[in-house]
Amino acid sequence: EAGVAQSPRYKIIEKRQSVAFWCNPISGHATLYWYQQILGQGPKLLIQFQNNGVVDDSQLPKDRFSAERLKGVDSTLKIQPAKLEDSAVYLCASSWTSGNYNEQFFGPGTRLTVL
Amino acid sequence: DQQVKQNSPSLSVQEGRISILNCDYTNSMFDYFLWYKKYPAEGPTFLISISSIKDKNEDGRFTVFLNKSAKHLSLHIVPSQPGDSAVYFCAASNYGGSQGNLIFGKGTKLSVKP
Repeated sequence: EAGVAQSPRYKIIEKRQSVAFWCNPISGHATLYWYQQILGQGPKLLIQFQNNGVVDDSQLPKDRFSAERLKGVDSTLKIQPAKLEDSAVYLCASSWTSGNYNEQFFGPGTRLTVL
Repeated sequence: DQQVKQNSPSLSVQEGRISILNCDYTNSMFDYFLWYKKYPAEGPTFLISISSIKDKNEDGRFTVFLNKSAKHLSLHIVPSQPGDSAVYFCAASNYGGSQGNLIFGKGTKLSVKP
């Protein structure tokens, strides 16, 4: 079974530029999560999708961050414009469904550096 | 306001000895707790979990203990092996009332020395 795929693995941009990250979850997983992990911190949930609908985006900075999962499979997370404090690892995770003690499987992450 | 706290940033243990990683939480609504292991440049990997209706769960060398009255859980690794060297994250969720969102601690870096 293939794991969660993410690209790119690394990205360096200047502040005020835009950047997009891509995630392909495990086949058949209905729920997809985007986390932000700042150095020295644990992952923090940004947004959760159930199929192609948003379940929770309460911690997503909506003035600059956006995410979509148009066909209920792949997802894209965008930052526009980026700030220095957005430097972090962005992790995508998926699970069979939400709740019911479903294990979340994580991808390798995208390390973003904003200069 | 941190709802899940791992107060030890690092822990060093000799190979073959026991490793004990601790985690405290503040939200009494949490009903499910998980430990994830993370190697450098990889995503976190699920290790073991425990429901709030239990006080212990064991899987091979890994045992998680839950003390609900103290809002404390711990992960025991016996015996510790050099391959266990990684960052361990404690996470909690309120599955009964939400969609399964995980709240993570800051992690504890375990080093197992040969």
